[in-house]
Amino acid sequence: DVKVTQSSRYLVKRTGEKVFLECVQDMDHENMFWYRQDPGLGLRLIYFSYDVKMKEKGDIPEGYSVSREKKERFSLILESASTNQTSMYLCASSLNRAEAFFGQGTRLTVV
Amino acid sequence: DAKTTQPTSMDCAEGRAANLPCNHSTISGNEYVYWYRQIHSQGPQYIIHGLKNNETNEMASLIITEDRKSSTLILPHATLRDTAVYYCIVRAPYSGGGADGLTFGKGTHLIIQP
Repeated sequence: DVKVTQSSRYLVKRTGEKVFLECVQDMDHENMFWYRQDPGLGLRLIYFSYDVKMKEKGDIPEGYSVSREKKERFSLILESASTNQTSMYLCASSLNRAEAFFGQGTRLTVV
Repeated sequence: DAKTTQPTSMDCAEGRAANLPCNHSTISGNEYVYWYRQIHSQGPQYIIHGLKNNETNEMASLIITEDRKSSTLILPHATLRDTAVYYCIVRAPYSGGGADGLTFGKGTHLIIQP
């Protein structure tokens, strides 16, 4: 079974902290994605990557950056966490557009 | 990617077939219909996809109308664990040059009643 693993299920951080969310997939997929999910707004794409060291902005990249140094790992970075970044963060990977595999999500609270 | 319309919520009795409709009247000839679901507090899960023929797998069946303007996801024997939000997504096939993300709408909240 394909596995997408996010490093934390729940995280509480203080305003202004630098936050790293890690995601690892074990299926040698080229494409990896970071979304956030908020009530009433659905899933919104933050960043995606289609190859090592390659990244593209999604719909809401402001306040975030990403890192893809190895094919299996895609990190989301909040440079200076703010309360409006409190959300559920979801990582996904895919080989092509047919099927995406999602992690369990990280519920981040910024206080 | 074409826009989709789904009912906000639906109920279904346990053991019965759950039929979830989706309208995609602006679908293009090369766009596929995908279905995902999201059980509470989990990440979305792929269910099935199709182009014009009906499709079946171990989870569900997908019926696409002949004009492709609508489709129905069928869970043949719904269980309580099928309670989830179901998303219908329309998108073009992979054409190389990198990927982009899925666009999830609000989906249908399916509640399976015991």
